[in-house]
Amino acid sequence: AQSVTQPDIHITVSEGASLELRCNYSYGATPYLFWYVQSPGQGLQLLLKYFSGDTLVQGIKGFEAEFKRSQSSFNLRKPSVHWSDAAEYFCAVGELSSASKIIFGSGTRLSIRP
Amino acid sequence: GAVVSQHPSRVICKSGTSVKIECRSLDFQATTMFWYRQFPKKSLMLMATSNEGSKATYEQGVEKDKFLINHASLTLSTLTVTSAHPEDSSFYICSARPRTGNTEAFFGQGTRLTVV
Repeated sequence: AQSVTQPDIHITVSEGASLELRCNYSYGATPYLFWYVQSPGQGLQLLLKYFSGDTLVQGIKGFEAEFKRSQSSFNLRKPSVHWSDAAEYFCAVGELSSASKIIFGSGTRLSIRP
Repeated sequence: GAVVSQHPSRVICKSGTSVKIECRSLDFQATTMFWYRQFPKKSLMLMATSNEGSKATYEQGVEKDKFLINHASLTLSTLTVTSAHPEDSSFYICSARPRTGNTEAFFGQGTRLTVV
């Protein structure tokens, strides 16, 4: 069965500093991977996704993620965070074969230090 | 394009009553929709997969008689929380996968249910 692990529950970084949020997945075939962001009380916004091709994926708001098959990882990065990036971030794995069922990780809460 | 609308965005109901949440794909047809539940400060847990014209498939531990799902058309799925209790208070989010094209499912903005 597919699963996603986000080992960091809460991360605090200073504004302007770089960011890396970790994500490891377990999936039998080539996974479809996503990163979503959720602000308090809000719905989900898709930051980026990996289906195939280039393993370095560019997303919105200056985020990027790199798919590393050998490490079963899909870490999210941003070179310089802004205070508005404070939110909950979810890594997710899905299947597109027939139903697009998406399974979410437990989430990482990002706080920004002024 | 690819907009999914949930209604209502917030609802408060009394214990023992039922409440219906709608999930609509506004600009595409969706043979499959998904319902998730999110507890405060927790992740999204898949509750069930809703298939147009057939019975929903529930995840383990989800009471199908408690959470009734109907997917009567290619653009609408509904989740009815029956005989609601305070512990049913949660954030419910749906997603819908376009019938055509190799793409992911798109999420609605969620419904905050509070049972008093």
